[in-house]
Amino acid sequence: SAVISQKPSRDICQRGTSLTIQCQVDSQVTMMFWYRQQPGQSLTLIATANQGSEATYESGFVIDKFPISRPNLTFSTLTVSNMSPEDSSIYLCSVGEGSPLHFGNGTRLTVT
Amino acid sequence: GENVEQHPSTLSVQEGDSAVIKCTYSDSASNYFPWYKQELGKGPQLIIDIRSNVGEKKDQRIAVTLNKTAKHFSLHITETQPEDSAVYFCAASMDTGTASKLTFGTGTRLQVTL
Repeated sequence: SAVISQKPSRDICQRGTSLTIQCQVDSQVTMMFWYRQQPGQSLTLIATANQGSEATYESGFVIDKFPISRPNLTFSTLTVSNMSPEDSSIYLCSVGEGSPLHFGNGTRLTVT
Repeated sequence: GENVEQHPSTLSVQEGDSAVIKCTYSDSASNYFPWYKQELGKGPQLIIDIRSNVGEKKDQRIAVTLNKTAKHFSLHITETQPEDSAVYFCAASMDTGTASKLTFGTGTRLQVTL
C-alpha cells in the first residue's frame, strides 16, 4: 500500500491565523481525500482532490475555509483558514486506487 | 447520503475473550465495507474489508460478516490480546472501481484487560 506522509504532524496555532497541511504519497494516485476527526469523534470527509481539477467539497465545508491544492499525482495541501478553536481537530489525508483507502497519521491541530 | 451507525461505543473484554462490533448502513447501493483500527496518535489502519458479493471473510483472529438484506455488518475478534486495544471504525462506500469516499461509523473503543 502507498506510504503517506503528512506535515506538520502537530501544531498549535492562534485564532485568526491559517495553517497549510501537506500530504505526500510515495506513488501516483488519482484521488486524494481530506478528512477531519474532531476530538473523540469519527472521521468526516472534507473534500475530494483530483489532480488538474477543482476539489469537490462535502456539505458543510467550503473552499474559502478549506482551500485545497493538488498540483500533481503525489502531493496535495489543505489550508485551514482564519482558524477558531472549533477547528481543533486531526486532519487526515487518504489515498487509494479503488478500494481500500489508506490514511496518513494525520495533523493534530490545536487552535488557541 | 449514506449513514452508518456503530455499536457499542465502548467495549471492555478480558484477554482471550471474543469481541463483536456491529454496524448498520442505510444506502442499499453501498457495496464495500472496510474496518479500520486506530491506535493513539496514529491514523486509521485497514484491518479487514468485505464486499457485498461475499457474506463472510476471515483473516486469522479477525472476521467480518455481512447481511445485505438487513444492511448490517459485524467485526469479530477472537482470542483478544492487549494489543487489540484501540478504537475501531466501520465504514461503507459505493465502490465503482475508482477510489470512493467512505462514510464512517462513530467508532468503538475496545479495551482488552488482563
